[in-house]
Amino acid sequence: NAGVTQTPKFRVLKTGQSMTLLCAQDMNHEYMYWYRQDPGMGLRLIHYSVGEGTTAKGEVPDGYNVSRLKKQNFLLGLESAAPSQTSVYFCASSPLGLTDTQYFGPGTRLTVL
Amino acid sequence: LAKTTQPISMDSYEGQEVNITCSHNNIATNDYITWYQQFPSQGPRFIIQGYKTKVTNEVASLFIPADRKSSTLSLPRVSLSDTAVYYCLVGGRYSSASKIIFGSGTRLSIRP
Repeated sequence: NAGVTQTPKFRVLKTGQSMTLLCAQDMNHEYMYWYRQDPGMGLRLIHYSVGEGTTAKGEVPDGYNVSRLKKQNFLLGLESAAPSQTSVYFCASSPLGLTDTQYFGPGTRLTVL
Repeated sequence: LAKTTQPISMDSYEGQEVNITCSHNNIATNDYITWYQQFPSQGPRFIIQGYKTKVTNEVASLFIPADRKSSTLSLPRVSLSDTAVYYCLVGGRYSSASKIIFGSGTRLSIRP
């Protein structure tokens, strides 16, 4: 099993550009999450999903959109990137509730110039 | 909101036992306490979870007093590879996602 994978690993954008980050999990987990981590900081939850076709806002959802069309995939979109969105983005999944063990991907390092 | 407070950093030496305490005064009846470990340039990794008293696995022990307002992660005989950031999370299985907050964690540095 690959666990949780993220694509791409690195990306540089110019202000105003758009992009989509892909997260895939092969553990048949119901819950999936997108976090961002700024230097020296903890993780902050952007959006999450409790199952295929569902999404919900986390702590810092502004400027991001998500979709969960298939159970194994969770997409994070930036419609118009801003320098404040420069961060490392982590995807995670868990079998059931939010306090179940979360399995994290390796992260995507995004720089917005 | 189940806010947690941890020391910003700790130092120790190889072979020592390290105890990291997390304060969570507003913990709710249904909340669990979960600890994660994060190495540089990697995603966090689950270490241990508990509800009350003591939980032990092959990696660590978790001590939770009766009032559950704090918890202590205990790492026995640490090595250089235990250098990482450790996060304490508090939340119930059906909590709103807004209550699951990683915070800044505790940066543990192990010296030879």
